[in-house]
Amino acid sequence: DAGVIQSPRHEVTEMGQEVTLRCKPISGHDYLFWYRQTMMRGLELLIYFNNNVPIDDSGMPEDRFSAKMPNASFSTLKIQPSEPRDSAVYFCASRNSNEKLFFGSGTQLSVL
Amino acid sequence: GQQVMQIPQYQHVQEGEDFTTYCNSSTTLSNIQWYKQRPGGHPVFLIQLVKSGEVKKQKRLTFQFGEAKKNSSLHITATQTTDVGTYFCAGSGSARQLTFGSGTQLTVLP
Repeated sequence: DAGVIQSPRHEVTEMGQEVTLRCKPISGHDYLFWYRQTMMRGLELLIYFNNNVPIDDSGMPEDRFSAKMPNASFSTLKIQPSEPRDSAVYFCASRNSNEKLFFGSGTQLSVL
Repeated sequence: GQQVMQIPQYQHVQEGEDFTTYCNSSTTLSNIQWYKQRPGGHPVFLIQLVKSGEVKKQKRLTFQFGEAKKNSSLHITATQTTDVGTYFCAGSGSARQLTFGSGTQLTVLP
């Protein structure tokens, strides 16, 4: 298995632009998580899905952030409009029932 | 809500010295997991502890789960430069959601 696949690896954009981050979880995993990592706030859970259904989005910072999971093999995290304070590494992770999390390589987002 | 505190935030050791990081939860945990993140990398699962007082070993790494299931520790014996990275604990509570600690960044000086 290729593991959790995220794209792009790096994204540099200007303030106000829309950003879309993509994730392909491990096949057979029924939970998918989006995390954000910064030096100041560490690893923050933004939202998670179970069987493609959003379960808890209380970590989503504000309405500029949205996430979808149209099917079991694909999820997106969108920021519109982006702001410099959104600069961070965004990780997608998936797991099955044994609770062990597998992380993707992350997307390094820089908003100028 | 559930909070997981981890100390120290940073630790510099000389190669060959031991290292310990501690994790404390504000609530009783159903289990605790440990992850390692190398510089520039992503968190990688190390181990999960479930039972009260459980101790598990992986080569030079020893993991403990407290009797009250509210604290945990990771001890590395005789550190090597390959141990460099940030070590995170992550606690799972009644809602079965993982809450990550802030991590301990380990630097090993050759």
